Amino acid sequence: NAGVTQTPKFRVLKTGQSMTLLCAQDMNHEYMYWYRQDPGMGLRLIHYSVGEGTTAKGEVPDGYNVSRLKKQNFLLGLESAAPSQTSVYFCASSYSSTRTASGGRPYEQYFGPGTRLTVT
Amino acid sequence: DAKTTQPTSMDCAEGRAANLPCNHSTISGNEYVYWYRQIHSQGPQYIIHGLKNNETNEMASLIITEDRKSSTLILPHATLRDTAVYYCISGPPTGNQFYFGTGTSLTVIP
Repeated sequence: NAGVTQTPKFRVLKTGQSMTLLCAQDMNHEYMYWYRQDPGMGLRLIHYSVGEGTTAKGEVPDGYNVSRLKKQNFLLGLESAAPSQTSVYFCASSYSSTRTASGGRPYEQYFGPGTRLTVT
Repeated sequence: DAKTTQPTSMDCAEGRAANLPCNHSTISGNEYVYWYRQIHSQGPQYIIHGLKNNETNEMASLIITEDRKSSTLILPHATLRDTAVYYCISGPPTGNQFYFGTGTSLTVIP
């Protein structure tokens, strides 16, 4: 089990460039999340997904788009990167609240190692 | 507005109990209290959660006041590996909208 993996680990972009961050999980989790963490700050939720083909906005969604075409993958896109998007991006996944038969624990999120993005 | 408030930093001697407080005075009836920790620059890790009863697991204990407006995470015998930022979160059981805040930076001193 690889758990939650993120690609790439590091990236430097110029202002205005675009890129996609990939998150993959092999735990068959229904829920997936994208967070950002700025220096000295806690994590802030960007977008999340409660299932394949479904996404929702979190606390700081502006400037980002997401897609969940496959259950195991959650993509985060930056269409036109800005220096304010310099941050560490964490992906997480969890079981859904409806998996009570198998002890679904949606509050127990499993995090990836993070992607360090710098926009110059 | 922050949903929880925690001290910015704390120190604890190795081998002693670390008691990390959290205020969540606006917590609603169906919201739980969750604790996560983040070691260095890794992704956060779930520790424990509770609704109104005290809880214990292999990592820690959680004491929630009767009015549910505050709680304390207890690491019974802190080790150097417990040095981390600890986040107290209040939220629904679905876990969809976690607000991590800035947490408490715990330093375990040899």
